[in-house]
Amino acid sequence: QSALTQPASVSGSPGQSITISCTGTSSDVGAYNYVSWYQQHPGKAPKLMIYDVSNRPSGVSNRFSGSKSGNTASLTISGLQAEDEADYYCGSHTTSNSVVFGGGTKLTVL
Amino acid sequence: QLQLQESGPGLVKPSETLSLTCTVSGGSISSSNYYWGWIRQPPGKGLEWIGSIYYSGNTYYNPSLKSRVTISLDASKNQFSLRLSSVTAADTAVYYCAGSLSFDYWGQGALVTVSS
Repeated sequence: QSALTQPASVSGSPGQSITISCTGTSSDVGAYNYVSWYQQHPGKAPKLMIYDVSNRPSGVSNRFSGSKSGNTASLTISGLQAEDEADYYCGSHTTSNSVVFGGGTKLTVL
Repeated sequence: QLQLQESGPGLVKPSETLSLTCTVSGGSISSSNYYWGWIRQPPGKGLEWIGSIYYSGNTYYNPSLKSRVTISLDASKNQFSLRLSSVTAADTAVYYCAGSLSFDYWGQGALVTVSS
């Protein structure tokens, strides 16, 4: 199985919005609505930010939103804050009962 | 609220078997609500799914690691475990255990170094 494709880096200024894409295939992202997004700060464990494409766990800011079109999922962060600077990973269940992650995107808040 | 904690040796010799245990608190590991997984992250690199086990005991593995991986569940101890055989330096990573279908819950991670 191949990793999902994410941009290596994105950046934005405080208050702006950014979008991170996650491209897979019809066997993973496009197959089910089981796409998740994780935030990881240096030296910390990943934290679930979005599940099932567009749902936010309790306690996650509504500045984070997710969507999907075909084989590409997207994470949008609005009203960027300094604390949002981190690595972001998408993940998807696949038609072969496995899980595949994206390569990760480093978000820099300018 | 589930809490997960990895434990096991931090140093493993090449060709030997890496063994880690994840202890779960705040919920029953055999509850039908849950799905458990192991994920690793080599230093400076991204996340790699190793495999998962359902509460029923059904297991699913990353095809690239399948021949070397075993994940098992011990309901009496509320733990699940990872064994990775014939390790090499390429298996050096932080190993995370995680719970729930979307990996809602994560352990803090355990660094395992493969070196003689």
